[in-house]
Amino acid sequence: NAGVTQTPKFQVLKTGQSMTLQCAQDMNHNSMYWYRQDPGMGLRLIYYSASEGTTDKGEVPNGYNVSRLNKREFSLRLESAAPSQTSVYFCASRTGTTGVFHEQYFGPGTRLTVT
Amino acid sequence: DQQVKQNSPSLSVQEGRISILNCDYTNSMFDYFLWYKKYPAEGPTFLISISSIKDKNEDGRFTVFLNKSAKHLSLHIVPSQPGDSAVYFCAAKDINDYKLSFGAGTTVTVRA
Repeated sequence: NAGVTQTPKFQVLKTGQSMTLQCAQDMNHNSMYWYRQDPGMGLRLIYYSASEGTTDKGEVPNGYNVSRLNKREFSLRLESAAPSQTSVYFCASRTGTTGVFHEQYFGPGTRLTVT
Repeated sequence: DQQVKQNSPSLSVQEGRISILNCDYTNSMFDYFLWYKKYPAEGPTFLISISSIKDKNEDGRFTVFLNKSAKHLSLHIVPSQPGDSAVYFCAAKDINDYKLSFGAGTTVTVRA
């Protein structure tokens, strides 16, 4: 049981390049999330998917797109990378969509540098 | 505007003593509060939570206190151990959805 996995672990991009960050969970969770962590800013929500087939914008969606490929996988795409997108990106998942609250489980992160 | 604030970026405490981490929030619609712990180069891991209908929740060495009238919560770690050295994030959930709002984090260093 791997939990939440993210690839790649590290990436360096030049300004204007594109890339996709991959995330998969094996816990049969309904909801998945993408966050970025910057110094002094905590974790900020980029996009989330409450259930398979749905995606919604979070707090800082500009410059990103997402795809909920199936129940297990949720990818984050940077179409034209900018230095302001240098950050550590975390994927998370959570079971259930209604009723009792459950905490989110996080992946190990992807450290992205845009030069 | 940040709805969850951790005003102390860092905390240093001696091993065996109590660590107290503080968190303030502005949204009165928050119904769950959580603390996450994060080691370098790892993802955050869930530590403890509290519902807004309670004022205290305890799990081993960790206790979270909630003061709704002051919109304030705190995490107590007793006794502090070297393995507790990490970044601690306070988070909160709005009753109307399942997203979490996070504070900026407090880095705890436990000195031997």
